[in-house]
Amino acid sequence: RKEVEQDPGPFNVPEGATVAFNCTYSNSASQSFFWYRQDCRKEPKLLMSVYSSGNEDGRFTAQLNRASQYISLLIRDSKLSDSATYLCAVYSNYQLIWGAGTKLIIKP
Amino acid sequence: ETGVTQTPRHLVMGMTNKKSLKCEQHLGHNAMYWYKQSAKKPLELMFVYSLEERVENNSVPSRFSPECPNSSHLFLHLHTLQPEDSALYLCASSQAPGTSGRADNEQFFGPGTRLTVL
Repeated sequence: RKEVEQDPGPFNVPEGATVAFNCTYSNSASQSFFWYRQDCRKEPKLLMSVYSSGNEDGRFTAQLNRASQYISLLIRDSKLSDSATYLCAVYSNYQLIWGAGTKLIIKP
Repeated sequence: ETGVTQTPRHLVMGMTNKKSLKCEQHLGHNAMYWYKQSAKKPLELMFVYSLEERVENNSVPSRFSPECPNSSHLFLHLHTLQPEDSALYLCASSQAPGTSGRADNEQFFGPGTRLTVL
């Protein structure tokens, strides 16, 4: 089993819809969790940290489920500009372990 | 300059060449990282420098040689590379683990160097 796994997609979603995707991790001792966004041929940029209580930033909501060892990202009222690859990263043993990313395509 | 910068942005080299990638961070961080990103694969951590000391090697081939002269600068020296080394090389920085008083230690990335080995 990979340490961090994501559905590669692509998720093809109409503009305005709600989309959610998960990221599973194998190390139950993992300490912190992140969602990054990566546009085509650009560097990853931090979207949000994921806290135990869940957190929300505008149209984006991140949740952590420690019992089932996954984090989720929910995007409401999706925009064309949300099209990107979303990477999850899990911090354990002083190292960030990365998923391969989920590709999201928002269609007009 | 702000954030994390990398030069060059694009590099094409032959297998017998020697080149260096440069990274500079302006965020006051004390840890820096080199990652390799190949198509459809997770980011691969190559090297970590924390408080200017290398702490992770991850069995990277010796044809890649890092150098960290101070907490703001990081180099990746390349020699006798192979075509399979063609990839996007990303530099990142963060607060070193245990130094920020937080567990998060988010990493911030430079724009990357897209390397093609012929």
